[in-house]
Amino acid sequence: RKEVEQDPGPFNVPEGATVAFNCTYSNSASQSFFWYRQDCRKEPKLLMSVYSSGNEDGRFTAQLNRASQYISLLIRDSKLSDSATYLCVVNPPGRRALTFGSGTRLQVQP
Amino acid sequence: DVKVTQSSRYLVKRTGEKVFLECVQDMDHENMFWYRQDPGLGLRLIYFSYDVKMKEKGDIPEGYSVSREKKERFSLILESASTNQTSMYLCASGLRYEQYFGPGTRLTVT
Repeated sequence: RKEVEQDPGPFNVPEGATVAFNCTYSNSASQSFFWYRQDCRKEPKLLMSVYSSGNEDGRFTAQLNRASQYISLLIRDSKLSDSATYLCVVNPPGRRALTFGSGTRLQVQP
Repeated sequence: DVKVTQSSRYLVKRTGEKVFLECVQDMDHENMFWYRQDPGLGLRLIYFSYDVKMKEKGDIPEGYSVSREKKERFSLILESASTNQTSMYLCASGLRYEQYFGPGTRLTVT
């Protein structure tokens, strides 16, 4: 089983829609979680951290469900500029480095 | 702004050649990382370094080595390039959880 699993998509949604992605992780002792965003042919960039209590940044909301071992990213009022691949990232215990999921591709259409 | 630069955007090498990929960061970060990114496999960690002259193997170190003689520079070495090392190589530096990526080097081994 992969450490971090994501639905590769693509998720094709119209502008203004709400879309949600989930990501599951295998190590229940993992403590730190993040979402990174990668535009086509660009490098990944940190989008937001995921806190136990959930957190919101504008149109983006991240949630953590420890019982089911998944994190989610909700995007409200989708914009064309939200089209990108969203990478789920976990820091498993005892490991200095992050583990990246293979990403979920979002395509927002006019 | 944090800047991570990589020596080449595109590189074509022959099988058996020794290949050097250079990465430089300007933010005095202690941690630096080398990943490769392949379709469907996502970002996979090759090596990382948490201090000058310190290195640790990632998930796929076979066929690679690294060098970190100065804090700002982290080099990835392919001792004898093979066709299965054709990939996008991404360098990152940063704090433990927030990583800043370079633009990537697309390496083709023929």
